[in-house]
Amino acid sequence: AQKITQTQPGMFVQEKEAVTLDCTYDTSDPSYGLFWYKQPSSGEMIFLIYQGSYDQQNATEGRYSLNFQKARKSANLVISASQLGDSAMYFCAMRVLGSGSARQLTFGSGTQLTVLP
Amino acid sequence: ETGVTQSPTHLIKTRGQQVTLRCSSQSGHNTVSWYQQALGQGPQFIFQYYREEENGRGNFPPRFSGLQFPNYSSELNVNALELDDSALYLCASSLGTTNTGELFFGEGSRLTVL
Repeated sequence: AQKITQTQPGMFVQEKEAVTLDCTYDTSDPSYGLFWYKQPSSGEMIFLIYQGSYDQQNATEGRYSLNFQKARKSANLVISASQLGDSAMYFCAMRVLGSGSARQLTFGSGTQLTVLP
Repeated sequence: ETGVTQSPTHLIKTRGQQVTLRCSSQSGHNTVSWYQQALGQGPQFIFQYYREEENGRGNFPPRFSGLQFPNYSSELNVNALELDDSALYLCASSLGTTNTGELFFGEGSRLTVL
């Protein structure tokens, strides 16, 4: 079974500063993918960034980067130059990869990020 | 805008009733999955449909059932509603052949059971 742990229920950051949202995971499968999603108050889950377990380099997408430390089983999200529009709930998620496996995601409990002006 | 649409957006039911939620997947996507998100929690996987067949299910009782149609749209049915079924129900679509690809979520249907 897979498990995702997000230990920060809420975080505050000043506008234009960087912020790190923590995520640790647990799985016995060697092949997996890690995802971060943003959920504004509207409810829609917005994909931010993906990291495969065999990827050699940390993933980056614009202002988002994923600090992947495989030995520590952590996949922290770093948001640089925070904007007011970044205020939302952020979820870390995992999926076991491989043929025949359902493409289900296991989510953490989320971190509510508030960007202060 | 992900191209995934869900209906209705909000609904209220009473305990014991039945509900049907609908999802139109993004064009070209043949896989649909459903998630339940209780207030203050992360989404939990209910089941997944690929080309009209269920091919994965989470830890939900049989009163949660679904369908996928030839156009890849999908329905989630919940019978004998319980108070704990109150949640945001999210539908996500994807291309079944792309194992590492992202899921595209709709805005959800918020169900309240009284």
